[in-house]
Amino acid sequence: NFMVTQPHSVSESPGKTVTISCTGSSGNIASKYVQWYQQRPGSAPTTVIYEDKQRPSGVSDRFSGSIDSSSNSASLTISGLKTEDEADYYCQSYDNNNHVVFGGGTKLTVL
Amino acid sequence: EVQLLESGGGLVQPGGSLRLSCATSRFTFSSYGMNWVRQAPGKGLEWVSAISHSADSTYYTDSVKGRFTISRDNSKNTLYLQMNSLRAEDTAVYYCAKGINTQWLVIDYWGQGTLVTVSS
Repeated sequence: NFMVTQPHSVSESPGKTVTISCTGSSGNIASKYVQWYQQRPGSAPTTVIYEDKQRPSGVSDRFSGSIDSSSNSASLTISGLKTEDEADYYCQSYDNNNHVVFGGGTKLTVL
Repeated sequence: EVQLLESGGGLVQPGGSLRLSCATSRFTFSSYGMNWVRQAPGKGLEWVSAISHSADSTYYTDSVKGRFTISRDNSKNTLYLQMNSLRAEDTAVYYCAKGINTQWLVIDYWGQGTLVTVSS
């Protein structure tokens, strides 16, 4: 079954840029859309990137998404880090059976 | 703004049943695929089930197949999850999540969740 893998945690200082990776287990991740969700402590998830690189209205342009076919991975990049960006981030794609697949989540610490 | 409001969670004994509802508003419910996603305490997100906009297709993760049933009433703008034969490992916050089109594979909006606790 198709899976996506993320690092458990990343940390960076305010004002800096951080990138979170999401690697597909097989096939070509570029052939499926990848989404990214932010979940702050005690809150429901919200969508920050959909369809690889699209930003929902209201999401800061400090958030961007990309795909690297050579490494079969997707990335979420957050620039100009703020303390409010501290949260768990989940990537999501889907398998050939139309089942939604989530990564294990990455805890972002802004310190 | 799209609204998704889950209800029906609570404490239930192992082997028991619960029916979750997700009341929706401010979008044309019948045009969008929908999902249920759960999160066990301290754990990550886990996809549970999905249904197409017209209810002609439904999908389940293996661990709930045969125990859970997803359905929708497009006349009431409401999504449901019937959960039978509940187990301790089903304990989680259950989120209703909207697809961006007739399918469910890309989520754009999430509800606030309802907590299901399976315990004796």
